[in-house]
Amino acid sequence: EPEVTQTPSHQVTQMGQEVILRCVPISNHLYFYWYRQILGQKVEFLVSFYNNEISEKSEIFDDQFSVERPDGSNFTLKIRSTKLEDSAMYFCASSVGTGGSPLHFGNGTRLTVT
Amino acid sequence: GQSLEQPSEVTAVEGAIVQINCTYQTSGFYGLSWYQQHDGGAPTFLSYNALDGLEETGRFSSFLSRSDSYGYLLLQELQMKDSASYFCAVRPRGYMLTFGGGTRLMVKP
Repeated sequence: EPEVTQTPSHQVTQMGQEVILRCVPISNHLYFYWYRQILGQKVEFLVSFYNNEISEKSEIFDDQFSVERPDGSNFTLKIRSTKLEDSAMYFCASSVGTGGSPLHFGNGTRLTVT
Repeated sequence: GQSLEQPSEVTAVEGAIVQINCTYQTSGFYGLSWYQQHDGGAPTFLSYNALDGLEETGRFSSFLSRSDSYGYLLLQELQMKDSASYFCAVRPRGYMLTFGGGTRLMVKP
C-alpha cells in the first residue's frame, strides 16, 4: 500500500538554526498538509497546500514557517529560526480530496531544539 | 473558531465494549472523522460520518448526530492492540482538519 514518507525521523538543532523537514506524499494525492504534535498533546494543523500554493494556514504558521513543493514528489516544511517551543513531532499528510477524504499521515519527524 | 471535546482517558477490559464521545462546535461542518494513534506512531484514519446515523466497519462503529453536534466511536470486542489514543476531527472549511484533544484508551486483560 502506498504511504507517506518523511525524513529525517529525528532532527536535533540549536535554537536560531534553520531546519527543513522533508516529505514524499502519496503519488496520486493532490492535497498536502503539515501538522505538529507536542508530546502528549493534540495534533495541531499548520498548513494545507493545493495546486502549488497554500490553501489554508493556522495562527501557528507564522513568518518563520514556509512550505514548498520543489518538484513533482517532495513537499518540505522550513522553519527559518527555530525556537525551543518548536520542539515537537511534525507530521506530513496527504489526501486525494477534501471533505471526507481521509488524511494519510507519515511517521513524523521528531524535532528537538536545544 | 472551533472546539472539540472528548474524554481524556477511558479504561476497559479485553472483550468489552467502549464508547468514546465527542462534542463539537464549529463555524462550518464537513463531517466528523475518527483517527487512531498508537504511542510513537502516526494518526491513522478509522471512520468518517457526513450524515446522521451509524457507520460500521468491523469491530468499530461511528455515530453522528448533527442536530446535537455530537458523535461517538464504538469499539467492540476490545483487544489489547486497541490501546491507543483516539481523536475526533472536523473540517470546518474545505481544507483544515481540526483534531480534538484525544482520548487515551487503556485496555486491560
